[in-house]
This record gives sequence, C-alpha cells and structure tokens, in this order.
Amino acid sequence: GQQLNQSPQSMFIQEGEDVSMNCTSSSIFNTWLWYKQDPGEGPVLLIALYKAGELTSNGRLTAQFGITRKDSFLNISASIPSDVGIYFCAGNNNAGNMLTFGGGTRLMVKP
Amino acid sequence: DTEVTQTPKHLVMGMTNKKSLKCEQHMGHRAMYWYKQKAKKPPELMFVYSYEKLSINESVPSRFSPECPNSSLLNLHLHALQPEDSALYLCASSHPTGSSYNEQFFGPGTRLTVL
Repeated sequence: GQQLNQSPQSMFIQEGEDVSMNCTSSSIFNTWLWYKQDPGEGPVLLIALYKAGELTSNGRLTAQFGITRKDSFLNISASIPSDVGIYFCAGNNNAGNMLTFGGGTRLMVKP
Repeated sequence: DTEVTQTPKHLVMGMTNKKSLKCEQHMGHRAMYWYKQKAKKPPELMFVYSYEKLSINESVPSRFSPECPNSSLLNLHLHALQPEDSALYLCASSHPTGSSYNEQFFGPGTRLTVL
C-alpha cells in the first residue's frame, strides 16, 4: 500500500531555533495536510495544501507542496516550548475520503 | 461551532463489557470517521461514514460496531474487546465533497483501556 516517509523521526532543539521536517512518497498526492498532536489529544490541522508548488504560512509555520507532488515540507521558525508535540503529514490521492499518514516527527524544545 | 467532541475522555472496560464511544460535530460536515491510534504511531482508519451511510470499513473486527444516527452524531459500540484493543480512539469529520473535503478535523479522542 501507499506509504509516506516522514523525517526526521524526532528532533531535540533549542528554543529560538528553526525547524524543518518533510514527507516523501513514491506516488503522487493531490492534497498534503500537516497536523500537530499534543499528548493525550487529537491531531490539530495546521496547514492544508492543494496545488503543486503552493507555499502556505500559518504564523510561524510554513509548508510547501512539492512540485513533483510526491513531497511536502513544514518549517517552524523561532521555536518556542509550546511547539513541543508530534507533527504528522497526511496526503490524499483522491482515494475517496482516505488520508495516508506519515510516521510522525516528535519535536522537543529545550527552553 | 468548529469543534468535534468525544465522550468519554477515558474508558476502562473488561473483556466481557459492552460500552459505546460517542462523537458529535456541528460544522455541517457529512463525512465522519473513526480512527484507532496506538502510542507513538499515526492514526489508523477504521470506518468512514458519508451522508450517514457506511462507505469504508477497513476490515475491522466485528467486536467494533459503528453507528451514525444522524449527520451530527457518530457512535462506536464495543463488545468483547481484547487487551490489544487498548488505544486512543479518534473521531474526525470533513466535508464529503468540494475543495476542502480532505481537511479532516479531529476530536480529542477517547483513551480506552481493556483489562
């Protein structure tokens, strides 16, 4: 089946640093989504991308839909302690309502 | 209202118990989902309802029985579960069609422990 390869699996950074994570696929996706999940809570949608090459920002977060439609990245600028959590990418290739999730990136921020 | 709510927040049940998880949304979404999530793993899709009809069942064991009484409510009935069914159960909703139909909004989840 389809898989999304998300990297890195975990990151431990200093407060104030910028962060970058990405997802790649062997097949084309028509939608890329980025979610953040805090411990014991459900994933929260951060950014949705619908066009190849699209670059979208949400505050300190910026995400891009890769030109090949097989990848996407998420950048977080000037990290703060509340950025801690697990970030998931998810893609849809028009297979109905189904999303394929990446394995997640666990972000830890040292104050 | 831009929330998906789930009750209960936590549930502990024995293997012979029958219990239900509930999910509610008032965003006018006509697609609703049940996911199962194990620790440190991404959510795994279980069921999809579209316009109150079951459209996808990802080969889930029959001890999990979904129900969609109306466009705002989604239930998951549990019976004779196994300890390995312990997980965070997430409900989500989305528009079933249109440009934003892939944007799924998740509830806070029910943490289920099966003893």
